[in-house]
Amino acid sequence: SQQGEEDPQALSIQEGENATMNCSYKTSINNLQWYRQNSGRGLVHLILIRSNEREKHSGRLRVTLDTSKKSSSLLITASRAADTASYFCASPARGSTLGRLYFGRGTQLTVWP
Amino acid sequence: GAVVSQHPSRVICKSGTSVKIECRSLDFQATTMFWYRQFPKQSLMLMATSNEGSKATYEQGVEKDKFLINHASLTLSTLTVTSAHPEDSSFYICSAPTIKTPEGDSPLHFGNGTRLTVT
Repeated sequence: SQQGEEDPQALSIQEGENATMNCSYKTSINNLQWYRQNSGRGLVHLILIRSNEREKHSGRLRVTLDTSKKSSSLLITASRAADTASYFCASPARGSTLGRLYFGRGTQLTVWP
Repeated sequence: GAVVSQHPSRVICKSGTSVKIECRSLDFQATTMFWYRQFPKQSLMLMATSNEGSKATYEQGVEKDKFLINHASLTLSTLTVTSAHPEDSSFYICSAPTIKTPEGDSPLHFGNGTRLTVT
């Protein structure tokens, strides 16, 4: 990928369980963003964490960032079948035009009812 | 919220023809838009940055004569795949930044993508 790598590539869980996805990136960043993509659709922005932040919450989402390890994780708590989607991390290209992002390969999450 | 509309959602064309994909920002002005390409079960690859009133900036390895980008207004960018071949078959997605926070962050708003199939 152009910047990040997510793991696992695929994750299958039951409703109610928590889902954790990890992202590693290569270069220093100002922020890291997580997006969701339903099959055959565009992406939806979920959450942004800045390089000086270690953890951020938004509803059932919790994102952590470890700049020393160049890694981030996305935790979805109490998952629902509707959470089934692909999840991507993305970071801005260094010194780039505002909004120019590089994406990881994504994690395909399947939540079984 | 900010809406980016992309059209068409699906297109099938024959080899050698050209296909135009439109990306519109419906309720905000976008001086910059981004075009991505996505292969099945893979990541999004940034193709180019579309700049209103000036030339697009292409990523390394992307043929600018193959993928023509025009950004003639503050709400419309178009991507034309010229002389399409089967290997151009892919999912093309446009996006635009909207809010610029004091820290300079700007999450992207995406269109719903265009599935191009070249036969």
